[in-house]
Amino acid sequence: KAGVTQTPRYLIKTRGQQVTLSCSPISGHRSVSWYQQTPGQGLQFLFEYFSETQRNKGNFPGRFSGRQFSNSRSEMNVSTLELGDSALYLCASISGTDTQYFGPGTRLTVL
Amino acid sequence: GESVGLHLPTLSVQEGDNSIINCAYSNSASDYFIWYKQESGKGPQFIIDIRSNMDKRQGQRVTVLLNKTVKHLSLQIAATQPGDSAVYFCAETSGSARQLTFGSGTQLTVLP
Repeated sequence: KAGVTQTPRYLIKTRGQQVTLSCSPISGHRSVSWYQQTPGQGLQFLFEYFSETQRNKGNFPGRFSGRQFSNSRSEMNVSTLELGDSALYLCASISGTDTQYFGPGTRLTVL
Repeated sequence: GESVGLHLPTLSVQEGDNSIINCAYSNSASDYFIWYKQESGKGPQFIIDIRSNMDKRQGQRVTVLLNKTVKHLSLQIAATQPGDSAVYFCAETSGSARQLTFGSGTQLTVLP
């Protein structure tokens, strides 16, 4: 089985811009979750989607949003980028037994 | 563990020795625990998991121990190899929630 795919792998943006990150889960998995990883805060939960519905959301501002499509692919969007949004954004594909398998991440740098 | 994420404990072991990485968690309602390995520039890689109805689970060269009384989780790696050098995270969740709470991680370095 192919693993979790995230695109792009690297991204450089400037403050005030917006960005969209994409995630394709493992075939057959219907749920995905997103996490932000920074040196200062570690790994923090952003949100989780199942069958196109957001089921859970972490403690992030409304600038962070996401969606899931009928083929289980997911996107997350960050609007009005701030310097502090620089991070590794990780998508996890969730199995039927709730095990979360992570993709390689998208490294976002905000200048 | 609590996701404080500010201080990364380190563990150095000789190649061939056994490694033990510890994790304390705070939520007594947590019932599913996972260990991940993260190498530089990569996403976390699933190693092994355990549910709260078990005390011990073994995989290939790895064993996870769960002590619910003191809310402690440990990962034992047998015959540690250079390829085991990475940051190791414990993560927990409870009930039907799929929101993982991560510990701050431990940097494992395998010495030749």
